[in-house]
Amino acid sequence: EDKVVQSPLSLVVHEGDTVTLNCSYEVTNFRSLLWYKQEKKAPTFLFMLTSSGIEKKSGRLSSILDKKELFSILNITATQTGDSAIYLCAVESNYGQNFVFGPGTRLSVLP
Amino acid sequence: EAGVAQSPRYKIIEKRQSVAFWCNPISGHATLYWYQQILGQGPKLLIQFQNNGVVDDSQLPKDRFSAERLKGVDSTLKIQPAKLEDSAVYLCASSHLGGTEAFFGQGTRLTVV
Repeated sequence: EDKVVQSPLSLVVHEGDTVTLNCSYEVTNFRSLLWYKQEKKAPTFLFMLTSSGIEKKSGRLSSILDKKELFSILNITATQTGDSAIYLCAVESNYGQNFVFGPGTRLSVLP
Repeated sequence: EAGVAQSPRYKIIEKRQSVAFWCNPISGHATLYWYQQILGQGPKLLIQFQNNGVVDDSQLPKDRFSAERLKGVDSTLKIQPAKLEDSAVYLCASSHLGGTEAFFGQGTRLTVV
């Protein structure tokens, strides 16, 4: 059965700190790994990763995938209170375009 | 580009009642997903449509949940009868055929009392 595990499940930091969120997976016919930020209700897309070792960056956020060890990390540098959210990792399998989500990491950034 | 539209935003019903949710995907997106997100958990796929055909409904509790996507555009998800454990946010998402990035709607928060 396809599975996505995220750690930590929750994290509290202060503004300016750097955080690393982890996502490991077991999925048949891996196609891509996606990171979402969820505020309020609907997740918003952050990154899609398909190749190992290629870092994706967007401002203070960056992510990288290791397909050999089956994990990805999401880094946020110089955190701000607006980064407080649940960060979801999802893995897509080739078959049927199906996404499997992890439980999410709840990040709280204190002023 | 308009996003994925869902309605209603909130719904409170008593157990054993029925409820229906509506989703209008992004224009041109052939693939539509319904997810159930229980508080504290990641979204769980309930059903996936490709145009008006069902690709995957293996996690849909078919004794009480049903979904349809007539004409391959809008979709409705129905629960009949609702149970307390159905309280969750129901997310609709859509993507291009063969596309990986899924776009989510704002979701419908269902509370069953």
